[in-house]
Amino acid sequence: EPEVTQTPSHQVTQMGQEVILRCVPISNHLYFYWYRQILGQKVEFLVSFYNNEISEKSEIFDDQFSVERPDGSNFTLKIRSTKLEDSAMYFCASSEGLAGGVFFGPGTRLTVL
Amino acid sequence: GESVGLHLPTLSVQEGDNSIINCAYSNSASDYFIWYKQESGKGPQFIIDIRSNMDKRQGQRVTVLLNKTVKHLSLQIAATQPGDSAVYFCAEKELGGSEKLVFGKGMKLTVNP
Repeated sequence: EPEVTQTPSHQVTQMGQEVILRCVPISNHLYFYWYRQILGQKVEFLVSFYNNEISEKSEIFDDQFSVERPDGSNFTLKIRSTKLEDSAMYFCASSEGLAGGVFFGPGTRLTVL
Repeated sequence: GESVGLHLPTLSVQEGDNSIINCAYSNSASDYFIWYKQESGKGPQFIIDIRSNMDKRQGQRVTVLLNKTVKHLSLQIAATQPGDSAVYFCAEKELGGSEKLVFGKGMKLTVNP
């Protein structure tokens, strides 16, 4: 069964550093997403991406964040100048269309020290 | 999982019992709903979805019921097994509106053998 994959599973970084979280969405899916989950809190939407551009973003997704689809398979989230409060699980997800199931990857645990 | 927090509602059942997990959603314009299962250290796993033109949908050992009048969603798990132990989330979406899924807080299900 096809699945979303993410690397790394755990990323530790120093405050102020840049990190890139990587994802490979399900191959025939057209919509890609990043969500995050701070420990003990709800899963929250960051950004959606379609047709090689951001289609929607939340207020969390400020200039510190960017997404890219550098090739036909990878989808990345870059966080510049990381802050302590960026520590969370970051989930990539994909869907075939807007009206169908959204499938999540296993997540990357980001720890900012 | 990352969703487990001090205030997470908990349901404890015996193996073989039927479980019912409830969710109250917030947006009366939401017309698509997904139930997810999240095991410790993993990403949300798609279980079943339902659109607002239906009030019931069945899957393998699971049934989702939707009551739009009171904005209530439930997930019924038949013959609950120890492997069903996880945190369960409902998520809502407004098709034709925002692309994001809005997640509920979640409920932790513990199945005792």
